[in-house]
Amino acid sequence: EDQVTQSPEALRLQEGESSSLNCSYTVSGLRGLFWYRQDPGKGPEFLFTLYSAGEEKEKERLKATLTKKESFLHITAPKPEDSATYLCAVQAPQDSSASKIIFGSGTRLSIRP
Amino acid sequence: NAGVTQTPKFRVLKTGQSMTLLCAQDMNHEYMYWYRQDPGMGLRLIHYSVGEGTTAKGEVPDGYNVSRLKKQNFLLGLESAAPSQTSVYFCASSSRGAGGPVHEQYFGPGTRLTVT
Repeated sequence: EDQVTQSPEALRLQEGESSSLNCSYTVSGLRGLFWYRQDPGKGPEFLFTLYSAGEEKEKERLKATLTKKESFLHITAPKPEDSATYLCAVQAPQDSSASKIIFGSGTRLSIRP
Repeated sequence: NAGVTQTPKFRVLKTGQSMTLLCAQDMNHEYMYWYRQDPGMGLRLIHYSVGEGTTAKGEVPDGYNVSRLKKQNFLLGLESAAPSQTSVYFCASSSRGAGGPVHEQYFGPGTRLTVT
């Protein structure tokens, strides 16, 4: 069964304390992996798309990496404004003409000043 | 450029009542989606549309209907609301993408629905 699992469920860090969030997936034929940020009471906001193992993308204090089984979202020297829930999603074939998108349940990141 | 908008933002229904949620996008996207988000369960796809006049079932379609009469609008209907449909509903849209079928989604702000 196709599945996306994110860990940890919640992470509390001190400002400036770097860490990583994990997204592990089991799908047949990954077409793409997405990272989103979601603030309380708002819709998810797109961050990155990764297509193949070994690919990396960066944006400010965030860097996303991808292997054949998992993706990491590394956050370097985080600030309180980085506090949010980070969602991972994968796109995989549903059949010969359509694909499906599966979301993980997210990691709640809290950065203390 | 408003992106994806949703109305209403909040709604309280009694069991058995009906309602329609409206989603609109101004990015000329082909694909539109309706998700529900429940604590600890992530986003689950209810229905989606790959173009005007076309809709398809997602992971949790029971109890919902959709229509896409115009490219920019995607409506989600609840014919007879049940407490199990208490959730936050998100609409999203995406383009086909110049590089192939992989495409990120752009989400609306959500509708918080409570069914009592």
